[in-house]
Amino acid sequence: SAVISQKPSRDICQRGTSLTIQCQVDSQVTMMFWYRQQPGQSLTLIATANQGSEATYESGFVIDKFPISRPNLTFSTLTVSNMSPEDSSIYLCSVERLVGETQYFGPGTRLLVL
Amino acid sequence: AQKVTQAQTEISVVEKEDVTLDCVYETRDTTYYLFWYKQPPSGELVFLIRRNSFDEQNEISGRYSWNFQKSTSSFNFTITASQVVDSAVYFCALSEFRANSKLTFGKGITLSVRP
Repeated sequence: SAVISQKPSRDICQRGTSLTIQCQVDSQVTMMFWYRQQPGQSLTLIATANQGSEATYESGFVIDKFPISRPNLTFSTLTVSNMSPEDSSIYLCSVERLVGETQYFGPGTRLLVL
Repeated sequence: AQKVTQAQTEISVVEKEDVTLDCVYETRDTTYYLFWYKQPPSGELVFLIRRNSFDEQNEISGRYSWNFQKSTSSFNFTITASQVVDSAVYFCALSEFRANSKLTFGKGITLSVRP
C-alpha cells in the first residue's frame, strides 16, 4: 500500500477563516478522495479529486465551501472555507493506487473551529 | 442506494474473550465489495479486509476472521482472544464493483477491551 501523509495533523481555527489541508502520497496513484468524519460519526465522502480537472462533489458538498486541487498524481489539497464550528471534524484523504484497488487512508487532519 | 448498518454501537469485553462485530448491508448491485477498517484512538483508518461479492468463503487472518453470508447480506467480523490493543472503532463499508466507486460506511462499532 502507499504511504500517505497529511498536513497539518491538527489545527484550531477561528470561525470565518479558511484552512488548506495537504495530502501527499509516496507514489503515483490513480484516485484520490476526501472524506469528513464529524465527531462521533462515520465517514462521509466529500469529493473525488481528479487530476487535471475539477473535483467531483457528493451531494451536500459544494466547491465554494470545499475547493479541491490535484495538480499531479501524488498530491491533493482540500480547503475548508469560511469555517464555522460545524466544520469541526477529522478530514481524511484516501487513495486508490490503481483503479478498482482498495482505498487506503491518510492519518487524518483534526480540525477544531472556535 | 447503498446502505451499511452496524446495529451495535459499543461493545465492551474482557481481554481474551471472543467478540463478533455485526455488519448488514443493502445494495441493488449484484457485484460489490465489502470492507472492514479499524480506527484506533490515534484516528487513522487502518484497512483490514476487502471481500468481493463473488467470494463467499470465510477468511481467517491470525485472530481475525470474517463470515460473509450473501443470503442474509451480512459480513461479520470476529476477533478471537481479544487484546487491549484491539480497542478501536471498527467500520464496515461497501462499494460498487467498478472504478471510482465511493465507500459507503456504517456508523462504526466502538470496541473496548478491558485488561
